[in-house]
Amino acid sequence: EVQLVESGGGLIQPGGSLRLSCAASGFTVSSNYMSWVRQAPGKGLEWVSVIYSGGSTYYADSVKGRFTISRDNSKNTLYLQMNSLRAEDTAVYYCARGGFDIWGQGTMVTVSS
Amino acid sequence: DIQMTQSPSSLSASVGDRVTITCQASQDISNYLNWYQQKPGKAPKLLIYDASNLETGVPSRFSGSGSGTDFTFTISSLQPEDIATYYCQQYDNLPPWTFGQGTKVEIK
Repeated sequence: EVQLVESGGGLIQPGGSLRLSCAASGFTVSSNYMSWVRQAPGKGLEWVSVIYSGGSTYYADSVKGRFTISRDNSKNTLYLQMNSLRAEDTAVYYCARGGFDIWGQGTMVTVSS
Repeated sequence: DIQMTQSPSSLSASVGDRVTITCQASQDISNYLNWYQQKPGKAPKLLIYDASNLETGVPSRFSGSGSGTDFTFTISSLQPEDIATYYCQQYDNLPPWTFGQGTKVEIK
């Protein structure tokens, strides 16, 4: 079965760091471009970052310089390293495959003191 | 960055009604547009890709049209299970890829 399972969310203080994981099954992460999308409580969807099969990466201006997208081909897993977290980063974070046809269930990140 | 203006922000319709949502891009995005359905507490689900192509397994009452800057999403006959929030998203060329603000669909 083709699926994505996120993990790593939680409560973190402002200025802290967190790494999200997105484990894929049924397809190869490195053969697809993979994205992170987030949704603040009660708000709409916001694209965060993408990594292409060739390794190129892009970020939304709101996270550029603070977040890093990566993947581990041996584990077939996508990551999002989040540093210098702010209250406005509080959201459910989803990973998605390629043309956004497959999404994970999401993991909640809460940035609060 | 490309901005997506989606309307209306909410609508209320009766079962069996035809429902239409529009999305306007701030510049030409050809047909690089997706439509999603999101139910509370769930991940978005892709319904339409490339503006007018129905994703596998999606009921045929859902459809999309348009190209360039103006796009339309239609539910031909609203069903109770269609209650959700719907989003458009452009994926033209390079990121950032932007979503519309969403349309909450309710039953009257």
